[in-house]
Amino acid sequence: GAGVSQSPSNKVTEKGKDVELRCDPISGHTALYWYRQSLGQGLEFLIYFQGNSAPDKSGLPSDRFSAERTGGSVSTLTIQRTQQEDSAVYLCASSFSPDRSNEQFFGPGTRLTVL
Amino acid sequence: GDSVTQMEGPVTLSEEAFLTINCTYTATGYPSLFWYVQYPGEGLQLLLKATKADDKGSNKGFEATYRKETTSFHLEKGSVQVSDSAVYFCALRRTGTASKLTFGTGTRLQVTL
Repeated sequence: GAGVSQSPSNKVTEKGKDVELRCDPISGHTALYWYRQSLGQGLEFLIYFQGNSAPDKSGLPSDRFSAERTGGSVSTLTIQRTQQEDSAVYLCASSFSPDRSNEQFFGPGTRLTVL
Repeated sequence: GDSVTQMEGPVTLSEEAFLTINCTYTATGYPSLFWYVQYPGEGLQLLLKATKADDKGSNKGFEATYRKETTSFHLEKGSVQVSDSAVYFCALRRTGTASKLTFGTGTRLQVTL
């Protein structure tokens, strides 16, 4: 497919467990973003990658959250010791470049439920 | 910091009614402004955008004009359809290296026959 893909589409985990969420951006897109959509907070920015570097991590809510990107392509968002407040839909987006005029294309999201 | 404020929903309209969803923003410099739409069960899609003052973005009968003097980007449609039922998000993206999107809280639109 030509769009942004994310896996898994749904993840149910127990409090305290670690989870990994995966994002495959559109081929050739150098910029990659993670956002979180939750009932209480709306849509929040988490982290932005340009290539494999993360110049803006300002949205990561705690040190339990980390992300990496390899080969300028796939990205993984890891949440350690999950808490119930981590339950949300995690969205990934990519754009051709980070220039402000370039559209961000969103994936379908991963719905995370922490029991 | 940057912020986007949009009218709270839900907004319920009859088919063919006129739609306005208000959006105002706070940001330094000259951000780009966007409306995204999320249809039921689907991902976020860009609806329209404007990159400078007085630009008008338009798509699918929706329009929004970048008004720097009032820091607004209100979404309008002259005649809504049932298929327009969705959640609409206003967003901004600053100039410079910080290219993240800052979103409003979203406005749910329900169009009935």
